[in-house]
Amino acid sequence: EVQLVQSGGGLVQPGGSLRLSCTVSGIPVSTTYMTWVRQAPGRGLEWVSIVFSEGRTYYADSVKGRFSISRDNSENTLYLQMNSLRVEDTALYYCARDVGAVTRLDAFDIWGQGTMVTVSS
Amino acid sequence: SYDLTQPPSVSVSPGQTATITCSGDKLGDKFVSWYQQKPGQSPALLVYQDSKRPSGIPERFSGSNSGNTATLTISGTQPMDETDYYCQAWDSVSDHLVFGGGTKLTVL
Repeated sequence: EVQLVQSGGGLVQPGGSLRLSCTVSGIPVSTTYMTWVRQAPGRGLEWVSIVFSEGRTYYADSVKGRFSISRDNSENTLYLQMNSLRVEDTALYYCARDVGAVTRLDAFDIWGQGTMVTVSS
Repeated sequence: SYDLTQPPSVSVSPGQTATITCSGDKLGDKFVSWYQQKPGQSPALLVYQDSKRPSGIPERFSGSNSGNTATLTISGTQPMDETDYYCQAWDSVSDHLVFGGGTKLTVL
């Protein structure tokens, strides 16, 4: 059974940095397509970033140049490094796995439990 | 940027059919997914590639996509279906994943 367990998050001041982790069990993170999605309080889902199995990465315009998605194959973990954080980055962040697993289908069936990031002075 | 538009709210009577739409330019040329999100929970995938259901998703959830509109249909709507629904697609022009704004389904 594939499971995603998230950690990291918390309270950070504007301009600060934070790293989110998403530990994957049941499938090698290096072989699957993974994404980060966030949800501001009371708002809808917003895509943040994606990493393809072969390593290509893409970012939402709102985070490009500030956030970085990466994988540690030895730890089987997906990361989201968030720099230059802004108040508007405050949200619940989810990691998720493509339903196709090793085949890209651009739909996500396994989600982490979410981790809250609060950017405030 | 590519936008997906959903109605903010849809109402349906118990046992009836609920229809939630998602519109975007030439959306029929893309694959659409649908998610259900209950309060305090992570999103759950209901439909992918327009009309396929992951294992464990009831048959009363179905999807279609043509022209500029994708549709999620919930047959025999139950009170437990009252929650938020999101459509999603991949925009190959911008290489961005896109979500609709979400639709709150009320069963009354």
